[in-house]
Amino acid sequence: EAAVTQSPRSKVAVTGGKVTLSCHQTNNHDYMYWYRQDTGHGLRLIHYSYVADSTEKGDIPDGYKASRPSQENFSLILELASLSQTAVYFCASRAPLGGLEQYFGPGTRLTVL
Amino acid sequence: GQGVEQPAKLMSVEGTFARVNCTYSTSGFNGLSWYQQREGQAPVFLSYVVLDGLKDSGHFSTFLSRSNGYSYLLLTELQIKDSASYLCAVRNNTNTGKLTFGDGTVLTVKP
Repeated sequence: EAAVTQSPRSKVAVTGGKVTLSCHQTNNHDYMYWYRQDTGHGLRLIHYSYVADSTEKGDIPDGYKASRPSQENFSLILELASLSQTAVYFCASRAPLGGLEQYFGPGTRLTVL
Repeated sequence: GQGVEQPAKLMSVEGTFARVNCTYSTSGFNGLSWYQQREGQAPVFLSYVVLDGLKDSGHFSTFLSRSNGYSYLLLTELQIKDSASYLCAVRNNTNTGKLTFGDGTVLTVKP
């Protein structure tokens, strides 16, 4: 079974609307990450978390919030979606001692119109 | 600052080999990993290196030179299904596990 799942798999949102992307992992990992990927580019880190009820800013946090209510769940929130946030969003998890090996969810394709 | 650079495209022939290059600059280096990403799918971990030299993992081998800020992923006995994007990622902090990714190299394997 997939160890990292994301929902929804795709979403169309309107500019200025609120969007919540969800991630669930069954790896029993402490660390979770949210990345965005723009067409033809690599992954950029938005937010991450290493324990429930705590989140940290990544490299491009502006316009995004994150929530980690439990070890298994990590959400990414766009309070006011903008056109520039159209991208594919990936969630990942890793074990504390497995720093270079991250396990990715299938991604959410977000289109903001 | 930190930067990870990869060539955008690479082409090779089935049955031969391909070397995907990665150069990086970082204020602190704590390991480098390679991921394979097929079109429309999530990245999948392939290999990581933390020490200089060649790490042979069969179909995929990884080389690292920390003094030159350089790594490569070597794929041998190429198959058509090896056609994918290969992402290089550098870690500069062990505690957070934060990775900085390159833009990826799209490898096309031709018959």
